[in-house]
Amino acid sequence: AQTVTQSQPEMSVQEAETVTLSCTYDTSESDYYLFWYKQPPSRQMILVIRQEAYKQQNATENRFSVNFQKAAKSFSLKISDSQLGDAAMYFCASYYLNYGQNFVFGPGTRLSVLP
Amino acid sequence: EAQVTQNPRYLITVTGKKLTVTCSQNMNHEYMSWYRQDPGLGLRQIYYSMNVEVTDKGDVPEGYKVSRKEKRNFPLILESPSPNQTSLYFCASSFTQTPPLFNEQFFGPGTRLTVL
Repeated sequence: AQTVTQSQPEMSVQEAETVTLSCTYDTSESDYYLFWYKQPPSRQMILVIRQEAYKQQNATENRFSVNFQKAAKSFSLKISDSQLGDAAMYFCASYYLNYGQNFVFGPGTRLSVLP
Repeated sequence: EAQVTQNPRYLITVTGKKLTVTCSQNMNHEYMSWYRQDPGLGLRQIYYSMNVEVTDKGDVPEGYKVSRKEKRNFPLILESPSPNQTSLYFCASSFTQTPPLFNEQFFGPGTRLTVL
């Protein structure tokens, strides 16, 4: 079975500082996508960033960037210049192109931003 | 406005009383999916549908049914709800699940279900 692991149930960061959320995944598939989703207290699921496994270049979206280590099956999210609005639950997720069950989510990391 | 809607947003029911959670999207998406979210487990896929009349089981399908008679609607049916189905449920859709047109999933606002 495909799995996604987030080893940090909770993390905190000072406003304006940088924080990195960890994610590892386990698969024998070669074609897949990786995602980070943000879930604020409103419960809405918001896509933060995505990475295609065949791309070696790490994805970046404004203050959000990833460190994709394919050989190590690691996909960490870095948030720079943290803002109060970044406080949320963050989910790492994977999508496998040749696997019946499409999306697999990790258990989540709750991020607190301290003023 | 492009969106995925779910109804009801909150539901408290009793064991064994059949219920349906509706999901509708106005983006002409082919792919739709249902998830349940439980603390410490993240989101787990219940059922998904690649297109009209095509549905398949996800990771946790037991106790649930779905149907896809129209492209825009994908209701989740609990024929005989039990307390272990108390959870937060999300419907999601995307244009397709096939590259190169694959893109992100759009999620509904969630339905908080409590089964007593």
